[in-house]
Amino acid sequence: AQKITQTQPGMFVQEKEAVTLDCTYDTSDPSYGLFWYKQPSSGEMIFLIYQGSYDQQNATEGRYSLNFQKARKSANLVISASQLGDSAMYFCAMREPNAGGTSYGKLTFGQGTILTVHP
Amino acid sequence: NAGVMQNPRHLVRRRGQEARLRCSPMKGHSHVYWYRQLPEEGLKFMVYLQKENIIDESGMPKERFSAEFPKEGPSILRIQQVVRGDSAAYFCASSRGTGDEKLFFGSGTQLSVL
Repeated sequence: AQKITQTQPGMFVQEKEAVTLDCTYDTSDPSYGLFWYKQPSSGEMIFLIYQGSYDQQNATEGRYSLNFQKARKSANLVISASQLGDSAMYFCAMREPNAGGTSYGKLTFGQGTILTVHP
Repeated sequence: NAGVMQNPRHLVRRRGQEARLRCSPMKGHSHVYWYRQLPEEGLKFMVYLQKENIIDESGMPKERFSAEFPKEGPSILRIQQVVRGDSAAYFCASSRGTGDEKLFFGSGTQLSVL
């Protein structure tokens, strides 16, 4: 089974509107972390937002918020007031503890969603 | 505050040559990760290093690939006798420690094997 699933290969949104990018995950470990990264056409990976599995509130970072539905195992990214510069590939990723129970930066990435913002 | 620095940004090699990719982590970060991104795919974990130690190399191909993070200097990902299938973007990331740390990525090295 896929650990991270992003079911939307591409999404379109009008400038200034909000858009939701879907991400579902699969883990049996109670302790995990969820990340969203943005990859513009220039190629770099830009950290957007992080949600820990024990965090009580949904994470927010400026125009980005993470809609964390633990029971559904979903961690959708919401971008409010879209801008032309938001056009990029967006990756959802998960960190789980390793066999020894410690966590580090070993992430499993989804396939990505290409977001296009129209003027 | 400089971010994660990778060089070169682009590297072209012929089949059979060696490729060396360098990564300097963010200031204050002592944990380095290497990821590979094949075309149209997400990133795949290769290796996790701390200074002078390989902690987890479970994603690294067993042959031709090696990584190091010496006491002084950048981390190096070395690919010997490159083949066309090694063509990919290689990303380095760093963090301050383990646990709930943000992972910051460099801009990547695009390796093209002719």
